[in-house]
Amino acid sequence: DAGITQSPRHKVTETGTPVTLRCHQTENHRYMYWYRQDPGHGLRLIHYSYGVKDTDKGEVSDGYSVSRSKTEDFLLTLESATSSQTSVYFCAISDRWAESSGNTIYFGEGSWLTVV
Amino acid sequence: KNQVEQSPQSLIILEGKNCTLQCNYTVSPFSNLRWYKQDTGRGPVSLTIMTFSENTKSNGRYTATLDADTKQSSLHITASQLSDSASYICVVSARGSQGNLIFGKGTKLSVKP
Repeated sequence: DAGITQSPRHKVTETGTPVTLRCHQTENHRYMYWYRQDPGHGLRLIHYSYGVKDTDKGEVSDGYSVSRSKTEDFLLTLESATSSQTSVYFCAISDRWAESSGNTIYFGEGSWLTVV
Repeated sequence: KNQVEQSPQSLIILEGKNCTLQCNYTVSPFSNLRWYKQDTGRGPVSLTIMTFSENTKSNGRYTATLDADTKQSSLHITASQLSDSASYICVVSARGSQGNLIFGKGTKLSVKP
């Protein structure tokens, strides 16, 4: 298993509060991703990073921001949590771009977030 | 629009039986196709990766096929085990898409004793 740790694993928060999810990797992989998984949808990309301080938006980035100050850590922040952001959040890592066929994309175990 | 469709949505089989899961995609230009296994409450785990030129890829009792002409893939599971109960997700990547993978909604497989 790839060394990916997500924290917290479970969180309940109130609408309007900020929330930060952390992804920590020990593989020294360059690329890191945040996805959300909801019933009736495939995983959807929120933000991704291609290096320290290099990040970009994914398909469903509204209401989310990210930061990557070290290779090993990728933080996802919900600036003002809403009920529509209740979801399971997965961090993923790879040593090459996701479109590259020669790499495996490893996923963390997920963070369950409930916004009430 | 790039899309990945999987069928069936769910499947129940008896332990020891074989099964085949389907994936159709409309992603262009195609780069690669992956199959993942996701146990309940866990993150997805990679099973296979195939490029345009690969027709078949095996990983133990899992065999994936790819027909790039018809844009179809299948995942065949041989001699199923109770531990095969999981969701199986087809994921397609387009060239130039950088980090954006297109995920199917998955097929939920239940293997009964």
